[in-house]
Amino acid sequence: EAQVTQNPRYLITVTGKKLTVTCSQNMNHEYMSWYRQDPGLGLRQIYYSMNVEVTDKGDVPEGYKVSRKEKRNFPLILESPSPNQTSLYFCASSFRGFSTDTQYFGPGTRLTVL
Amino acid sequence: AQTVTQSQPEMSVQEAETVTLSCTYDTSESDYYLFWYKQPPSRQMILVIRQEAYKQQNATENRFSVNFQKAAKSFSLKISDSQLGDAAMYFCAYRSDNNDMRFGAGTRLTVKP
Repeated sequence: EAQVTQNPRYLITVTGKKLTVTCSQNMNHEYMSWYRQDPGLGLRQIYYSMNVEVTDKGDVPEGYKVSRKEKRNFPLILESPSPNQTSLYFCASSFRGFSTDTQYFGPGTRLTVL
Repeated sequence: AQTVTQSQPEMSVQEAETVTLSCTYDTSESDYYLFWYKQPPSRQMILVIRQEAYKQQNATENRFSVNFQKAAKSFSLKISDSQLGDAAMYFCAYRSDNNDMRFGAGTRLTVKP
């Protein structure tokens, strides 16, 4: 089954404790992206990757890191989480990064930073 | 920067009736795509319908259709014969070839039995 998976689905952590949210897709997609969803703001793009070893900042990259060492994986790293990073996070992928390409979303990760 | 605006934070509709969700956007691009996503309580993002900006014909998917007005930069979603399963948060989204992906703040749709 074609899908985007994220782990963990729920995470409660404390300020400053490094964490990684994994994202994997099995569709051989070149493009992958991370979003955060906050009430009243919709989804905002954090980082995206057009292909292996190619990443770029989205609208809200501060406090986040990403890497794209393999085509299927695109982990989101919070080196020193803060309470303002409490949010719902989505990973998405598409065949390429063109407007014609539909994005497929993972199930979301609910992160709480205390 | 491109923006997407959904002016209706909440909408409600009676089961079997029709409801229209509004979306406007701002862009200087000529080629782009517009999308409506549905997010039920499970939080999964589900693509409902998409519209190519260069196509004048409005997209239709079963009970879902759009009214795309390119000059007015308007992209509304019409849900006909509303069902209880249509209750969800709906997001309007814009994507251009330079990877600009924007979402509106969302409209929460309630369907009354």
